[in-house]
Amino acid sequence: DSGVTQTPKHLITATGQRVTLRCSPRSGDLSVYWYQQSLDQGLQFLIQYYNGEERAKGNILERFSAQQFPDLHSELNLSSLELGDSALYFCASSGGGPPHYNEQFFGPGTRLTVL
Amino acid sequence: GNSVTQMEGPVTLSEEAFLTINCTYTATGYPSLFWYVQYPGEGLQLLLKATKADDKGSNKGFEATYRKETTSFHLEKGSVQVSDSAVYFCALSSRGSYIPTFGRGTSLIVHP
Repeated sequence: DSGVTQTPKHLITATGQRVTLRCSPRSGDLSVYWYQQSLDQGLQFLIQYYNGEERAKGNILERFSAQQFPDLHSELNLSSLELGDSALYFCASSGGGPPHYNEQFFGPGTRLTVL
Repeated sequence: GNSVTQMEGPVTLSEEAFLTINCTYTATGYPSLFWYVQYPGEGLQLLLKATKADDKGSNKGFEATYRKETTSFHLEKGSVQVSDSAVYFCALSSRGSYIPTFGRGTSLIVHP
């Protein structure tokens, strides 16, 4: 158990809809990362938050947005969903001091299926 | 920019065979290097890491040595088990960069 929790575990929705994925980082970790994993694209970094502020952006579509709340949990919002958005979405956290500096702790993921 | 290249999979082995999964990287400075493992239906978890040249990371019988001269961090295990079947990701993290760089992953299948 990494200490990172994600909900829901599975999500099935239709094209054009909007969903919200939730992540709670490990206790004490200030950074949250979101990744998309698909068979053809591998593991793609989407966005990072640190203590409530956006710190880095990767290959995140304009239809997607995220935020980190004062209690450090984070939400990833996906809107105007397309079939190609079907994937596993992982949250990871980091921020521990030595010896865990730069290590990432991953949640179990949310499997999104867009029909 | 940073990049990580892993050998293509799947790698298929019989139980007790020797495993090597190649990983090479491109990065500025002296990155930290990682191997993560993803078992079926789960998230990635850190397997081992090395933070400076010539460091050897090891865990659960797996080893990898940080080779700066060849910019490599190959994963090895002397005798694989069926339970090692998973996808293995090589990754690096540079000082001053908040975003780790992952390879595409290598699937390992171990047959009894």
